[in-house]
Amino acid sequence: DAKTTQPTSMDCAEGRAANLPCNHSTISGNEYVYWYRQIHSQGPQYIIHGLKNNETNEMASLIITEDRKSSTLILPHATLRDTAVYYCIVRVIYNTDKLIFGTGTRLQVFP
Amino acid sequence: ETGVTQTPRHLVMGMTNKKSLKCEQHLGHNAMYWYKQSAKKPLELMFVYNFKEQTENNSVPSRFSPECPNSSHLFLHLHTLQPEDSALYLCASSQGPSHQETQYFGPGTRLLVL
Repeated sequence: DAKTTQPTSMDCAEGRAANLPCNHSTISGNEYVYWYRQIHSQGPQYIIHGLKNNETNEMASLIITEDRKSSTLILPHATLRDTAVYYCIVRVIYNTDKLIFGTGTRLQVFP
Repeated sequence: ETGVTQTPRHLVMGMTNKKSLKCEQHLGHNAMYWYKQSAKKPLELMFVYNFKEQTENNSVPSRFSPECPNSSHLFLHLHTLQPEDSALYLCASSQGPSHQETQYFGPGTRLLVL
């Protein structure tokens, strides 16, 4: 079973920041937080990951709370092409590559 | 383009047919995966291969038979499937079970079993 909880759906206006929350209250010390997204009928796409520090790349920012029990993915300027299902996944990184997907958050960006 | 290709992209088959899905990665990765995504359900991991050896079978029925002849190619052989096996089948690859490596997914094969 997925170890994360995400809202089922969210809306965001084009050009505004999209903030997608994720709860992972049972996360272990050796588990990273990964974010993927899946645009309709395509394969999932990696976005970003982190352990305990905030991370930023060309796609998004990841904010992880100090107790690591929750995180937020931030798309700073959402576009219509960011409409997708966003998955938050916690992953143990030694000896296995297993990704356990939950149901994710369906983000709808509107004009 | 992620460097992972899958063929065919769409497949319709009867319950008595035998077909195969193909996945190829051009990333020099050592691990490959099959996932299944049914309508309105999360992605489910089916099989994992590391260096051509199967390291995980997630209780998948024997009517699904994977084959990994080398680190770049992965097949999923299908026979006597059921209508409930209709789904999007996704292939992924990664460097392997190592620190922070991410998985890259192909576009998927959408399978319809009649």
